[in-house]
Amino acid sequence: GAGVSQSPRYKVAKRGQDVALRCDPISGHVSLFWYQQALGQGPEFLTYFQNEAQLDKSGLPSDRFFAERPEGSVSTLKIQRTQQEDSAVYLCASSRDRVTRNQRRNGYTFGSGTRLTVV
Amino acid sequence: KQEVTQIPAALSVPEGENLVLNCSFTDSAIYNLQWFRQDPGKGLTSLLLIQSSQREQTSGRLNASLDKSSGRSTLYIAASQPGDSATYLCAAPGNTGFQKLVFGTGTRLLVSP
Repeated sequence: GAGVSQSPRYKVAKRGQDVALRCDPISGHVSLFWYQQALGQGPEFLTYFQNEAQLDKSGLPSDRFFAERPEGSVSTLKIQRTQQEDSAVYLCASSRDRVTRNQRRNGYTFGSGTRLTVV
Repeated sequence: KQEVTQIPAALSVPEGENLVLNCSFTDSAIYNLQWFRQDPGKGLTSLLLIQSSQREQTSGRLNASLDKSSGRSTLYIAASQPGDSATYLCAAPGNTGFQKLVFGTGTRLLVSP
C-alpha cells in the first residue's frame, strides 16, 4: 500500500479484556517497529522486527504484551488482560531497509496509530 | 541510557516569525538524529534526518542542525505559517539497541494568523 495502515483506529476495552492491534506496513519494507505513546509524551519503543524475526522486544512493558509478524509483512500487537495503564496510542512504523548502526537510514514511515482506551 | 529533552514544551507565535526548537541528548555517540512532525490524532511525519557526519540539513523553510559534541540539535522554522502548527518531536538512536529511537516529549507549536 501507499502508507502504513493500522486498525482499528480506536479501541475501547474493558479492564481484563484481550485486544489485538494490526499493522499493515508498506509492501516490501523489511523493518517494522511498534511504539507506545502516552498522552502528552513522546513515543516509546516497544519492539522491532526484521522480516519475520523479532530482534528486539526489550521495550515490551510486561509479559501481557506480545507481538508477531509471522510472514514478514502484517504484524499484530496483542495485549492480554488489559489494564488502565495500557491506555495509549500504539504506533507502527516501517522502513525499507534493515537497520544497522552504520547504515544511512532512509527513515521511518509511521501509521496513524490505534488509540486504546481501557475502562 | 539515551535521554532526549526538548524545550520549550509549547510555543505560540504570530504568523511570519522565525523560530527555533531545541533538542538535547545525553549520549553523543549517535549516528543520526531525526525530527518529526505530529498533527493531532495522526502519526508521525519525518521532516529531516541528519547523519552524524553532517552539521545541518535543510528542507524548504526548515533547517536542522546537529552538534554532537554538545549533545544538541535545533530545528529552525523560517517565516512560520498557521499550517506549521503541530507537535515537533526530536528522536535519537538508543544506545542499548540501535534499532530503537528515543523520542523527546515534543514541542507544541501554535502559529496564529
